[in-house]
Amino acid sequence: GAVVSQHPSWVICKSGTSVKIECRSLDFQATTMFWYRQFPKQSLMLMATSNEGSKATYEQGVEKDKFLINHASLTLSTLTVTSAHPEDSSFYICSAPPTGWGSVTQYFGPGTRLLVL
Amino acid sequence: DQQVKQNSPSLSVQEGRISILNCDYTNSMFDYFLWYKKYPAEGPTFLISISSIKDKNEDGRFTVFLNKSAKHLSLHIVPSQPGDSAVYFCAASGPGNQFYFGTGTSLTVIP
Repeated sequence: GAVVSQHPSWVICKSGTSVKIECRSLDFQATTMFWYRQFPKQSLMLMATSNEGSKATYEQGVEKDKFLINHASLTLSTLTVTSAHPEDSSFYICSAPPTGWGSVTQYFGPGTRLLVL
Repeated sequence: DQQVKQNSPSLSVQEGRISILNCDYTNSMFDYFLWYKKYPAEGPTFLISISSIKDKNEDGRFTVFLNKSAKHLSLHIVPSQPGDSAVYFCAASGPGNQFYFGTGTSLTVIP
């Protein structure tokens, strides 16, 4: 079946540094990928929609200058948390609908846990 | 504003019995609904879905019911098994291909 990978799966960084998280679709192309964030005991919150070849679309309240998204190819989207702070510590998950399969199926990555000290 | 709501944060069910998880939504533009199952520290895995043109979809032990007039959907698991213990999210999608998730219901199936 379709697989989405994320790298790294776990990252610890110091406050003020930047962290890049990769989301890859391994056996299908995805012109669109989504980035979510989950706080403990809370729902997955959609942060932004990553579009291959164009700018990402951010949800209300998400700082686009802080969470930089680059959809470099049809199989790769990256989320860079710039100048990370402890409140950015969270579980980040990407998802992708396979291009051409219709819009309803989403394959989720395994998630990246970020801990900012 | 939470467009998809799961008002029961947790549910405990005896093994072999039916588990019913509920979900409500507010946006009438949603036309596709999904249920995801999630274990701690993992991404959600797709479970079952339903289009707004249907009111029921069944896949093995899992059945999803949709009541459009009430903007309500439910997931039935029967019989429930201990391996079903997880957090279940409902999600809704409309124009734009984005998914809006409920807050999740933690299901515990007691052996």
